[in-house]
Amino acid sequence: AQSVTQPDIHITVSEGASLELRCNYSYGATPYLFWYVQSPGQGLQLLLKYFSGDTLVQGIKGFEAEFKRSQSSFNLRKPSVHWSDAAEYFCAVVTYNTDKLIFGTGTRLQVFP
Amino acid sequence: EAQVTQNPRYLITVTGKKLTVTCSQNMNHEYMSWYRQDPGLGLRQIYYSMNVEVTDKGDVPEGYKVSRKEKRNFPLILESPSPNQTSLYFCASSLSRGNSPLHFGNGTRLTVT
Repeated sequence: AQSVTQPDIHITVSEGASLELRCNYSYGATPYLFWYVQSPGQGLQLLLKYFSGDTLVQGIKGFEAEFKRSQSSFNLRKPSVHWSDAAEYFCAVVTYNTDKLIFGTGTRLQVFP
Repeated sequence: EAQVTQNPRYLITVTGKKLTVTCSQNMNHEYMSWYRQDPGLGLRQIYYSMNVEVTDKGDVPEGYKVSRKEKRNFPLILESPSPNQTSLYFCASSLSRGNSPLHFGNGTRLTVT
């Protein structure tokens, strides 16, 4: 069965530091890939998506993600984290044959001043 | 403003007392879905709807009902709530199932005692 793994449950970084959140998926073909962010008390908001083409995609709030087919990964990055980035981040995939969206279990990001 | 509106935001009820959580979207989206979010489990889909009068089970449909009589509304019904349905619930909508990004409501935190 298709699955999405976010190995880090909780990450803490200092403000201004760089960030990388990991996401791996298990699926034979390239799926559609998404990153969503959930700020406290809010619903999820789309950060970025990858369907095809350039494997480095830019999103909102200064985030980017890189698709690596060989590693079945779609890691989220930001060069300099701001305190307002503290939130929970979800990776999600949609497979071509099912159109089903599968979420990872999320990574909670804490930012220290 | 494009949005998905859920009500109520918070709900405390007792076992067996029927309740409805409303969801409305103003984007003319065909696809709507309900998720529950539990710690360590990420988001799990309860039910979804591809269009008016078309609904289908997600991964965790037991104990829930939905209806889609109008395109904009997709209420979630708990006929006889139980404590294991205590959770954070999200409604979401998109243009279509699959690769269309989801727009989420702000969530409903339900506690069943």
